[in-house]
Amino acid sequence: GAVVSQHPSRVICKSGTSVKIECRSLDFQATTMFWYRQFPKQSLMLMATSNEGSKATYEQGVEKDKFLINHASLTLSTLTVTSAHPEDSSFYICSAPFRREGGVSSYNEQFFGPGTRLTVL
Amino acid sequence: AQSVTQLDSQVPVFEEAPVELRCNYSSSVSVYLFWYVQYPNQGLQLLLKYLSGSTLVKGINGFEAEFNKSQTSFHLRKPSVHISDTAEYFCAVIRLRRANTGFQKLVFGTGTRLLVSP
Repeated sequence: GAVVSQHPSRVICKSGTSVKIECRSLDFQATTMFWYRQFPKQSLMLMATSNEGSKATYEQGVEKDKFLINHASLTLSTLTVTSAHPEDSSFYICSAPFRREGGVSSYNEQFFGPGTRLTVL
Repeated sequence: AQSVTQLDSQVPVFEEAPVELRCNYSSSVSVYLFWYVQYPNQGLQLLLKYLSGSTLVKGINGFEAEFNKSQTSFHLRKPSVHISDTAEYFCAVIRLRRANTGFQKLVFGTGTRLLVSP
């Protein structure tokens, strides 16, 4: 099956610093990747859609200058949390879609990375 | 717009007992349905999916789910749970489009924490 990796798995940083999280599709190409944020004991919230070779699409309420997304290649997307603050502490998960044929129409099965736990002190 | 409701935020159950995790959805168009499992500090793993055909879908780890169109439900079941099934379970939908342009977004429910005790 398709594998998606994330690096680092955990990061602790001081308030005001920037943190970069990498998401890689290991055995398939992904022109699109999704970035989610998950607060403790809550569901996943879609933050943005990363598009290879073009600008990311951000969901309503997500600050694009705060969460910089770069999709540099067909297998790598990065999320940079700029000037991180304690309220940015969260679990960040990426996913990459893989085209599948469904019963009625094709769809994109999403393969998720293992997540990155960010703690901002 | 579609939405997914998981009414039970937490379901405690004893080992070897049966369990059902409820999921209801609302959508004005046809959807594909999914159940994912998330173990602590890990990403999501696909348990099973309903695309078409038989309404009873079997997945990994002994789980199954039944699609009920009239009740717009997709409840997850397991006849006998193990301690290792303790995790967070998410129901999700993808809205089908007539034209396959772009990538459909997954819409998640709020999750149900399954707690299996000895």
